[in-house]
Amino acid sequence: AQTVTQSQPEMSVQEAETVTLSCTYDTSESDYYLFWYKQPPSRQMILVIRQEAYKQQNATENRFSVNFQKAAKSFSLKISDSQLGDAAMYFCAYRTSYSGGGADGLTFGKGTHLIIQP
Amino acid sequence: DTGVSQDPRHKITKRGQNVTFRCDPISEHNRLYWYRQTLGQGPEFLTYFQNEAQLEKSRLLSDRFSAERPKGSFSTLEIQRTEQGDSAMYLCASSLSQGPTDTQYFGPGTRLTVL
Repeated sequence: AQTVTQSQPEMSVQEAETVTLSCTYDTSESDYYLFWYKQPPSRQMILVIRQEAYKQQNATENRFSVNFQKAAKSFSLKISDSQLGDAAMYFCAYRTSYSGGGADGLTFGKGTHLIIQP
Repeated sequence: DTGVSQDPRHKITKRGQNVTFRCDPISEHNRLYWYRQTLGQGPEFLTYFQNEAQLEKSRLLSDRFSAERPKGSFSTLEIQRTEQGDSAMYLCASSLSQGPTDTQYFGPGTRLTVL
């Protein structure tokens, strides 16, 4: 079974600074998909960014970018120019490219609580 | 398009009672997922529908849990004989199938407290 590990329970960053959230995963598969989701307090989970494992180029969405290291099974999220609205729980998630056997759902890490200091 | 909605948002019940939650996915989304999230943890996959067919069930989904999606639109999740360990946030997500890369959109969740 795949596992996702987020080793930073909490991170704090000054507004306008850059912060990197770590994620590692364990899988024996070669084709899969990785995601970062954001869950603001008392609000629903929102997709931040997605990476296909077969793509070597790191995904980027505005101020959010990833550093995908397939051999190291590492998938970190970099947030540039942090804003107060970025404060939330951030979850790293994995999904296999195969269907069946309970594989269709996402496997999440435990999350990192990001605090933005004004 | 109002997004994924869930009802109720909060439910308090006594141990041993049955509860039912509803999820309305984004219209035209044919895939629907249920997850459970306990305090301090990430969501855990419970089950998944494609249209009205329940295709996958996690081993977390005990016999006391049942999910339906009768017409391929809304879904219900029922928990029978609730236990204190069932206290959690129950999240629903939906997606439009484009293979494994389909993006799942989450609802606000139903927070269940079992006394």
